[in-house]
Parts: sequence; C-alpha cells; structure tokens
Amino acid sequence: DVKVTQSSRYLVKRTGEKVFLECVQDMDHENMFWYRQDPGLGLRLIYFSYDVKMKEKGDIPEGYSVSREKKERFSLILESASTNQTSMYLCASSFTLGTYNSPLHFGNGTRLTVT
Amino acid sequence: SQQGEEDPQALSIQEGENATMNCSYKTSINNLQWYRQNSGRGLVHLILIRSNEREKHSGRLRVTLDTSKKSSSLLITASRAADTASYFCATDPGFQKLVFGTGTRLLVSP
Repeated sequence: DVKVTQSSRYLVKRTGEKVFLECVQDMDHENMFWYRQDPGLGLRLIYFSYDVKMKEKGDIPEGYSVSREKKERFSLILESASTNQTSMYLCASSFTLGTYNSPLHFGNGTRLTVT
Repeated sequence: SQQGEEDPQALSIQEGENATMNCSYKTSINNLQWYRQNSGRGLVHLILIRSNEREKHSGRLRVTLDTSKKSSSLLITASRAADTASYFCATDPGFQKLVFGTGTRLLVSP
C-alpha cells in the first residue's frame, strides 16, 4: 500500500520565518504534488514535479518554492512565512504509465499556523 | 482555477438512506475522480471515471458522467455513519494537474 508521509501534522511558525514542509513517498512514484486546502476554496495546486530536479508551477505558487533532490522526497518551502499562508498543506504522489496517470495518493496533511 | 463545483455543499441523512452528490465542471476532461476526506486527514481516492464512460460502480458507490452537460454524480447507497466525510470531485484535463472542487460535507446519523 502506498504511503505518503508528511513530517509534521501541526506546525506553528512566526511571520518572516523560513518554513520547510517535507513529504516522502515509498512507492517510487515519479509525480509529486503540493496542495493547500482552505475552507470554501477547496484544494489549490501550489507546485508539482514530474521527476527529480523538475518542478512546475501550479495555480498559486507565489510565496512558495519546492525542492526535489531525490525521487521519494518533495519539499515545500515558504521563504518568508506570512499569516495568509496559514492553511492545511497536502502532499500527494502518483505514477504515469504511458498515457495513464494514476489517482493521487495523499499524505495526512500538515496544518500550518503562522502568527 | 477552480473547475469542479459540488452540490450540495452539505448533506445530512440517516443511516440506510442514499446520498447523492453532484459535480459540475467547465472544460473538457480526460477523466473525473471522486475523493473522500475524513475530518482533518488527507484525501482518499474512491473512483475514477474516464471521459468515454457513462457509469461506473464500486461496492456501494455509483458514479455517472455526462460530458455533454459537464456534470457527474456520486451516489452512496445504504449509507453508514462511517461514510461521514467530505467528498470532492477532481477533473483531470490530461496533464495530471487535477482540479478539485470545494467539496460536499456528508453527515450520516445513526
């Protein structure tokens, strides 16, 4: 069974801090994603990656960056945390086989509060 | 860009009743997927229906897709208290960039 592990369930940071959210998957999936989830807005894609060292901007990349140095690990970085980045952050992974893209496998989320 | 919109936003039923949730989207898709989220947890994939399919079943779940109306429905039959969760539709335009709706909160009372 695929396991996507996010390093923290809850995180409290101060405005201006640099924040790292870590995500690891154990199924050799090539695709990894970072979403944020806010009430009334659903899930919005921040960044995704199709391969090691590759990254693509999603719908709301401003204020975020990502790193994918190893296939199993995809990190989300908040360069200078702000209160409007308080949210639930969800990591997901999937694989691609020819033209078939598998459904997403999600981690349990990191609830980040920026004060 | 939010593409999927679920209806209703919230649904409250008794155990044993059926629950129907609807999803509308705006552009062409390769497939449409439904996910469930228990409170405070990640999403779990339930079922995927391709654009050339009209109906799909999985256990107590039935999904329909009408590409001419750009809509889908998820039916949960004989609901249980354990089905209490939020349900999201997600559309795949073909680039693996799933676009999620805002979800339907389902409450099943014993």
